[in-house]
Amino acid sequence: DADVTQTPRNRITKTGKRIMLECSQTKGHDRMYWYRQDPGLGLRLIYYSFDVKDINKGEISDGYSVSRQAQAKFSLSLESAIPNQTALYFCATSDRGQGRETQYFGPGTRLLVL
Amino acid sequence: GEDVEQSLFLSVREGDSSVINCTYTDSSSTYLYWYKQEPGAGLQLLTYIFSNMDMKQDQRLTVLLNKKDKHLSLRIADTQTGDSAIYFCAEPGEGWNTGKLIFGQGTTLQVKP
Repeated sequence: DADVTQTPRNRITKTGKRIMLECSQTKGHDRMYWYRQDPGLGLRLIYYSFDVKDINKGEISDGYSVSRQAQAKFSLSLESAIPNQTALYFCATSDRGQGRETQYFGPGTRLLVL
Repeated sequence: GEDVEQSLFLSVREGDSSVINCTYTDSSSTYLYWYKQEPGAGLQLLTYIFSNMDMKQDQRLTVLLNKKDKHLSLRIADTQTGDSAIYFCAEPGEGWNTGKLIFGQGTTLQVKP
């Protein structure tokens, strides 16, 4: 089974709708992240969480919110979806060994906002 | 702020060497990373280099680091069609202890048979 799972894998929604993307991990990591990927822009960090009580905004948090329900679960919500939020969304977890950060990514959720 | 830059596309023939280049801005980076994204999948760590090293070799992969010019490269020897993917370089954001990574735009490697 995959260590980092995301649901749904694909989603089509309409402008103004509220949607939630979910992420679960079995790696036992405290740190979790949400990124979006757009062609030619790479990955941009939306939110990150270092533990259940620690949530931080990334570089593009406007229009998004998150919930860390447990160590293993980190959800991303779009309160009122707009077309420029059409993108590929990735959840990731990380551990730190000997000062080296290794991030483990889920398979991604492809979101289309009409 | 930190910035990581890569060219967007590279096309090579099977069996040739591929060289993917990256420039970064944070001179305090302790580790620099290369991630690979295969079609339809998330990113996977491919290799990394510690900042006090100039070169790291791992089978067909060679990472070169020029700290003076803040330039990182990934060389893939004997490139195969299975190497077709998007390659991202990354550096730690806001210092090594934050857990954040800053990714480049990604270089799409196309390997022609």
